[in-house]
Amino acid sequence: SQQGEEDPQALSIQEGENATMNCSYKTSINNLQWYRQNSGRGLVHLILIRSNEREKHSGRLRVTLDTSKKSSSLLITASRAADTASYFCATGLASGGGADGLTFGKGTHLIIQP
Amino acid sequence: DGGITQSPKYLFRKEGQNVTLSCEQNLNHDAMYWYRQDPGQGLRLIYYSQIVNDFQKGDIAEGYSVSREKKESFPLTVTSAQKNPTAFYLCASSPPQGGRTEAFFGQGTRLTVV
Repeated sequence: SQQGEEDPQALSIQEGENATMNCSYKTSINNLQWYRQNSGRGLVHLILIRSNEREKHSGRLRVTLDTSKKSSSLLITASRAADTASYFCATGLASGGGADGLTFGKGTHLIIQP
Repeated sequence: DGGITQSPKYLFRKEGQNVTLSCEQNLNHDAMYWYRQDPGQGLRLIYYSQIVNDFQKGDIAEGYSVSREKKESFPLTVTSAQKNPTAFYLCASSPPQGGRTEAFFGQGTRLTVV
């Protein structure tokens, strides 16, 4: 079953602006990850944040996690045309030892206008 | 180069036919996964395997079958029992306890029923 729900479903911004997308989930997690998917391609891992972390940075990416609200946000700063893609959050559940892998949301489609 | 390879990239199936999608990885990962992605949707788990000769059903296993005879290979068969097989299929691999770590994805196979 899909645990994560991204918001918004689609986002269009001008190049150079910041893009923020959100993810909400339902059950206790071990970690939350963000992936990018270019049209018709596989997913590429961007960043992983564990349940005991609140914020993490990687280059132009900033991820926050609020376990009390069961939500996460992904901020992409100084957006570029190459950032145009779909972005998915994925959760690893706290129970089960992680054997069944990750549960993905439906994604946010981000368009960067030149 | 280390990675995960799916073939073919495009596959066409006639009604009533079984087809097999290939997934090979040279990352020495124990865990492998098959996901289905429909337009505008997230990923749904079909099957996963944590070890050779063992695999488990995911959320939408009906109409699909898998085998795991070798660590590096995890082929997916879409059987005639799958009533709506047209979709984008993604294979992934990870170290053990995949819900705790980053997943690596292949480039996908787009299956179309003709």
